[in-house]
Amino acid sequence: DIQMTQSPSSVSASVGDRVTITCRASQGISSWLAWYQQKPGKAPKLLIYAASSLQSGVPSRFSGSGSGTDFTLTISSLQPEDFATYYCQQANSFWTFGQGTKVEIK
Amino acid sequence: QVQLVQSGAEVKKPGASVKVSCKASGYTFTGYYMHWVRQAPGQGLEWMGWINPNSGGTNYAQKFQGRVTMTRDTSISTAYMELSRLRSDDTAVYYCAREGRYCTNGVCYYIADYWGQGTLVTVSS
Repeated sequence: DIQMTQSPSSVSASVGDRVTITCRASQGISSWLAWYQQKPGKAPKLLIYAASSLQSGVPSRFSGSGSGTDFTLTISSLQPEDFATYYCQQANSFWTFGQGTKVEIK
Repeated sequence: QVQLVQSGAEVKKPGASVKVSCKASGYTFTGYYMHWVRQAPGQGLEWMGWINPNSGGTNYAQKFQGRVTMTRDTSISTAYMELSRLRSDDTAVYYCAREGRYCTNGVCYYIADYWGQGTLVTVSS
């Protein structure tokens, strides 16, 4: 099974900060990676697919990069509505999610 | 618009079974695989498996093999997930998620683009 490891597990940041979350796959997955945002009590929301393609309707402050085993999600200027938990997901072989990164208010 | 509406919360005793439904609307139900993902309280997301609503074919995560059954009723555009021999650590929110197809640079990716609202299953004696 492919394991996904996210870091950090949590990050404290202020509105306007740049935030970067990393995700590492236990084996190469090409660009078969997606990022989701989840707010408390809600279902996850798709942000990015194919490692770097922005889902329709998602603000351009979100961006993704990487290929193979190492990936990043960047929020260029954190907004109040961005405080949430973020998950990476590999879709190369079935589905596996990272353990999540909680973005908290500093 | 695409909607996935799940059945309500359940409370079950250890050893019992639970069946959660997911009613789809706003798209052709048989045209997209449906996945099930669960989330224990305060924990991350765990993939359980998928069903092909067109053929009824399924693929389950190894962890749930022998305990999970995914079915569908195409006449009412509804997918079901049944989990048997429940344990306390099966307490979780269970989500259905549609597998959308997104193509870029000549490659198509299959990812969860729409999710149900979640169904809380509590296992307690």
